[in-house]
Amino acid sequence: QSALTQPASVSGSPGQSITISCTGTSSDVGSYNLVSWYQQHPGKAPKLMIYEVSKRPSGVSNRFSGSKSGNTASLTISGLQAEDEADYYCCSYAGSSTLVVFGGGTKLTVL
Amino acid sequence: QLQLQESGPGLVKPSETLSLTCTVSGGSISSSSYYWGWIRQPPGKGLEWIGSIYYSGSTYYNPSLKSRVTISVDTSKNQFSLKLSSVTAADTAVYYCARLQITMIVPDAFDIWGQGTMVTVSS
Repeated sequence: QSALTQPASVSGSPGQSITISCTGTSSDVGSYNLVSWYQQHPGKAPKLMIYEVSKRPSGVSNRFSGSKSGNTASLTISGLQAEDEADYYCCSYAGSSTLVVFGGGTKLTVL
Repeated sequence: QLQLQESGPGLVKPSETLSLTCTVSGGSISSSSYYWGWIRQPPGKGLEWIGSIYYSGSTYYNPSLKSRVTISVDTSKNQFSLKLSSVTAADTAVYYCARLQITMIVPDAFDIWGQGTMVTVSS
């Protein structure tokens, strides 16, 4: 089971937009619209931000959006704010034997 | 509001078995709409899915940990548990339990998480 591939870090200035990529394979991201994204602040539990590629749970800002093309999913944060600085993880359903796989995580720095 | 709480020893000796329990409050573990899972995070590293269980007892494990992991459920106590055998320092991590929502009979996303518990493997 290989982890999904994310950039180690991304950065942006307040008000800007950033995109975090999550690359998998035809066995996970490419085969199912079941990609989710999590935000994790230091010392805190992860928080679900996006599920089923592009759906937002109740209470999550519409500044967060998700998409997918082929084997790569993406998380876009628009109107960047200081509180968006955190680690972000993608996750995908990977079939009935492996079940789920996480990405390695991306540290977002708001400059 | 549904909450999850991990409990168990914070220190485990090498070669022994790590045992943790997740107590679900504010809702039933016997819902057909969810799996329940364990995820861990070594210090300074990313998230790793350990395994998940359905209330009926069906289990799914990370292939890389499968030989050492057992996840069980106790519906009468609204709890599910993790056992990880033959631990080494590499198993030192924050262990989270989480609810895994189901969409069209397949796992979708971890929508509710416990606060996590730190487990250190050391003699």
